[in-house]
Amino acid sequence: NAGVMQNPRHLVRRRGQEARLRCSPMKGHSHVYWYRQLPEEGLKFMVYLQKENIIDESGMPKERFSAEFPKEGPSILRIQQVVRGDSAAYFCASSPLDRGSQPQHFGDGTRLSIL
Amino acid sequence: AQSVAQPEDQVNVAEGNPLTVKCTYSVSGNPYLFWYVQYPNRGLQFLLKYITGDNLVKGSYGFEAEFNKSQTSFHLKKPSALVSDSALYFCAVRVNSGGGADGLTFGKGTHLIIQP
Repeated sequence: NAGVMQNPRHLVRRRGQEARLRCSPMKGHSHVYWYRQLPEEGLKFMVYLQKENIIDESGMPKERFSAEFPKEGPSILRIQQVVRGDSAAYFCASSPLDRGSQPQHFGDGTRLSIL
Repeated sequence: AQSVAQPEDQVNVAEGNPLTVKCTYSVSGNPYLFWYVQYPNRGLQFLLKYITGDNLVKGSYGFEAEFNKSQTSFHLKKPSALVSDSALYFCAVRVNSGGGADGLTFGKGTHLIIQP
């Protein structure tokens, strides 16, 4: 029973390019969360999605960042025109139910480096 | 707004000794509390959670945590530390609003180092 799968594990981009990060939730999970982890800091919530819907994007930067979770396929976190400050580890988590008591299950993350 | 504080950046414990990793939280309402562990270059692994009921919660790998409402704390404990417990530990909170789920609020993490 595969866990949360994220790819790529490492991604290098030059300033101004686009970065696309993918997340396939655990089987049977329809709720996806994206977090960003800066060095020596905890994870910061970015966005919460269900299939074809953005539920909460209160942690997303207003510009350049977008997320989707289509009916078919993985969830995508897209960063346009990347800057050095976007360098971080991006984690995806999933849960089976829309319940606050449910623990979230995390992928191994995508480490984004901006040259 | 909710917040989590982990006052110690690093905790050093000798193997076989008991360990405690501290966590305090601030929320408007009743909290759901979680502990996660992160190994290098990996994602977070769920250890345990407090939802309601018994204040002492038991989790994976022999870890437990004690919920203290008056002190707004949720300290992680283990009676006898192993070298393999060395990792980065995160405390997280979510408001128990009776409604749907949302994102977790994490502390900054505590490096636990178990010395042989």
